[in-house]
Amino acid sequence: DSGVTQTPKHLITATGQRVTLRCSPRSGDLSVYWYQQSLDQGLQFLIQYYNGEERAKGNILERFSAQQFPDLHSELNLSSLELGDSALYFCASSVATGGAYEQYFGPGTRLTVT
Amino acid sequence: AQSVTQLDSQVPVFEEAPVELRCNYSSSVSVYLFWYVQYPNQGLQLLLKYLSGSTLVKGINGFEAEFNKSQTSFHLRKPSVHISDTAEYFCAVSGTGGYNKLIFGAGTRLAVHP
Repeated sequence: DSGVTQTPKHLITATGQRVTLRCSPRSGDLSVYWYQQSLDQGLQFLIQYYNGEERAKGNILERFSAQQFPDLHSELNLSSLELGDSALYFCASSVATGGAYEQYFGPGTRLTVT
Repeated sequence: AQSVTQLDSQVPVFEEAPVELRCNYSSSVSVYLFWYVQYPNQGLQLLLKYLSGSTLVKGINGFEAEFNKSQTSFHLRKPSVHISDTAEYFCAVSGTGGYNKLIFGAGTRLAVHP
């Protein structure tokens, strides 16, 4: 158990819909990262927040957005869903920002768009 | 920009045999290097990391990796595998600056047979 929690574990929804994925980082961790794992794209970095502020952006679609709240939990919002958005979405956290700090991964949310 | 190439998508091996999973990276700047393992239906767990210093890095579960700067490689090895090592293994890099998004390889599926 990494100490990172993600809810829900599974999500099935239809095209065009909007969903919110939630992540609670390990106690004391200020940095949260979102990654997408799909069969065709592999594991891709989406976005990073540090202490409530956006720090880095990857290949995140404009239909996707995220935020980190004062209690440090984070939400990833996916809208106008398409079949290709079906994937495993991971959240990771680290104590600070910087390559030397280990990222701890949550169990993921499996999103299926039908 | 950084990239990671895992040279084998699948590696079958018999129990108690040695194994090597190959990883090459490309980067114009200094990097940190990581190996993660993903067991079925689970998140990613850090096996080991190279930040600096000794090029031979030891990790959990008897795994080790060697950083070779001239060959830009970071191959993962285990002298004797167990059935429980069956999993997907990911090599990853991050920059050494203030941002540590991980860039992952495509993964290598290690299948250990009795």
